[in-house]
Amino acid sequence: DVKVTQSSRYLVKRTGEKVFLECVQDMDHENMFWYRQDPGLGLRLIYFSYDVKMKEKGDIPEGYSVSREKKERFSLILESASTNQTSMYLCASSLGYALNQPQHFGDGTRLSIL
Amino acid sequence: KNEVEQSPQNLTAQEGEFITINCSYSVGISALHWLQQHPGGGIVSLFMLSSGKKKHGRLIATINIQEKHSSLHITASHPRDSAVYICAVLMDSNYQLIWGAGTKLIIKP
Repeated sequence: DVKVTQSSRYLVKRTGEKVFLECVQDMDHENMFWYRQDPGLGLRLIYFSYDVKMKEKGDIPEGYSVSREKKERFSLILESASTNQTSMYLCASSLGYALNQPQHFGDGTRLSIL
Repeated sequence: KNEVEQSPQNLTAQEGEFITINCSYSVGISALHWLQQHPGGGIVSLFMLSSGKKKHGRLIATINIQEKHSSLHITASHPRDSAVYICAVLMDSNYQLIWGAGTKLIIKP
């Protein structure tokens, strides 16, 4: 079974801090994704990566950056955390370069910015 | 108007009832996903379908491409089915995934 592991389930940070969310997958998937999930809204794509060192902006990239130095690891960075970035963050991976493959999700990181 | 609409937003039912969750979309798609999210937060893919019907255990997913509508059915519902069920469509124009807001299902014993 595919395992997508997010480094933290819960995280509390302060406004202005630089925050790193880490995601690792163990199935050699090409595609990796970062979403945020807020009550009443569908998942919103922040960034995705289809290969090492490659990244594409999603729907809401502002205030975020990503890093993919190794195939198995995809990091989401909040450059200067703000309270409106308090949310559930979900990482996912999928096989192949096409986006028509099922995505496998981590358990999520609930991030609070105080 | 959202491109993917799910109904109902919330559903509470008794154990054993037959459950139907609906997903309507307004764009051309190449595939539709149904996913399940348990209270802990993790999301599991249930089905990916582009036509017809798929069945896995007590779960059945159907799609009508002409009507731009899909349904997820749960037979003999059980409290462990309590979760948020999410519909997502893969647009055929750019392979972008568009997500529904989810349906929160509670099955009471």
